[in-house]
Amino acid sequence: EDQVTQSPEALRLQEGESSSLNCSYTVSGLRGLFWYRQDPGKGPEFLFTLYSAGEEKEKERLKATLTKKESFLHITAPKPEDSATYLCAVQAPGYNKLIFGAGTRLAVHP
Amino acid sequence: ETGVTQSPTHLIKTRGQQVTLRCSSQSGHNTVSWYQQALGQGPQFIFQYYREEENGRGNFPPRFSGLQFPNYSSELNVNALELDDSALYLCASYLAGGNNEQFFGPGTRLTVL
Repeated sequence: EDQVTQSPEALRLQEGESSSLNCSYTVSGLRGLFWYRQDPGKGPEFLFTLYSAGEEKEKERLKATLTKKESFLHITAPKPEDSATYLCAVQAPGYNKLIFGAGTRLAVHP
Repeated sequence: ETGVTQSPTHLIKTRGQQVTLRCSSQSGHNTVSWYQQALGQGPQFIFQYYREEENGRGNFPPRFSGLQFPNYSSELNVNALELDDSALYLCASYLAGGNNEQFFGPGTRLTVL
């Protein structure tokens, strides 16, 4: 069964304290792995798509990497405005539905 | 470029009623997917519409139905509302045959009393 597991469930960081979020997945034929940021009560905001193992993408303080079994979202020197829930999703073959993990709630304190 | 929009923002219904949620896709996109997100959970796939037809469905009962219109906008209809239907309903759009990157709207918060 296709499945996505994110860890940790919640993470509290001090401003400037770098860390990584993990997304482990099992899917029959990965078509893409997506990272989204979601603020409370809002829709997910697209961050990155990764398509193959070894691929990396960066955006400001965020860097996403992909292996055959998991993806990491590295946050370098985070700021309070990076506080949000970060969602990972895999795209399964067929009609492109996204299978989401439960997310990691990140809180960055000054 | 116009992003994905959804209406209404919030909705309160009572058990047994019916509800219709609306979504306008991002310009240039031809496929719309609907997701249900319960509090503290990741979004769950409901179904997808392409060329005005449903072409994929998740594990949701038939009382969840939808439509897509020629301008690619879409509706989600839920009949016989249950308390567990209370959730954030998200619409996402993308261009089938492109890079399949799905962009989400702001969501509709449905509360069933």
